[in-house]
Amino acid sequence: SQQGEEDPQALSIQEGENATMNCSYKTSINNLQWYRQNSGRGLVHLILIRSNEREKHSGRLRVTLDTSKKSSSLLITASRAADTASYFCATGDNNNDMRFGAGTRLTVKP
Amino acid sequence: EPEVTQTPSHQVTQMGQEVILRCVPISNHLYFYWYRQILGQKVEFLVSFYNNEISEKSEIFDDQFSVERPDGSNFTLKIRSTKLEDSAMYFCASSEAGADSPLHFGNGTRLTVT
Repeated sequence: SQQGEEDPQALSIQEGENATMNCSYKTSINNLQWYRQNSGRGLVHLILIRSNEREKHSGRLRVTLDTSKKSSSLLITASRAADTASYFCATGDNNNDMRFGAGTRLTVKP
Repeated sequence: EPEVTQTPSHQVTQMGQEVILRCVPISNHLYFYWYRQILGQKVEFLVSFYNNEISEKSEIFDDQFSVERPDGSNFTLKIRSTKLEDSAMYFCASSEAGADSPLHFGNGTRLTVT
């Protein structure tokens, strides 16, 4: 599988603001997944969006997928200091090797 | 909630020694993975395993690496002769339906090669 490429590499915002992270990929996919990693810990799955879906919500998270542009975005609304983490995307296709990009490091200042 | 467990949490070894990193995936999951992350860098795919055999492996997963599911619960990664550059966090993950479902990660083993 290809890896997702997250953008920006780093993002710093104030508590209460929204954070938007983007992911781009190159070839066709079955799904795209977003994960979060707190420093030194394992990745935690956030959302899976399938190739025939355009938008998905989970609490304060909103994910969009544009297969024509081969891109996805993750929006975190009303951010909190506890949202400080690295965020990764990965694409799922017919191969069994989910690959991650370098991630976006989000810092939410109290 | 079921979780993936990894042992040990920290392993220190000398260059050239063999290490075995252990993982207990979630019990009803069928797909297993190893990833590594050098400090501050990206999470790199090493290998995936399904139906008692490797299904995919990356260019990093050379002859020094091997995986095994020795019994119904454990999934291990062996590095035969460690190098300094093998120092990293190693994460195990499992999923119900491969890349078509969420991966559940353990909290990793920090491997330090001296």
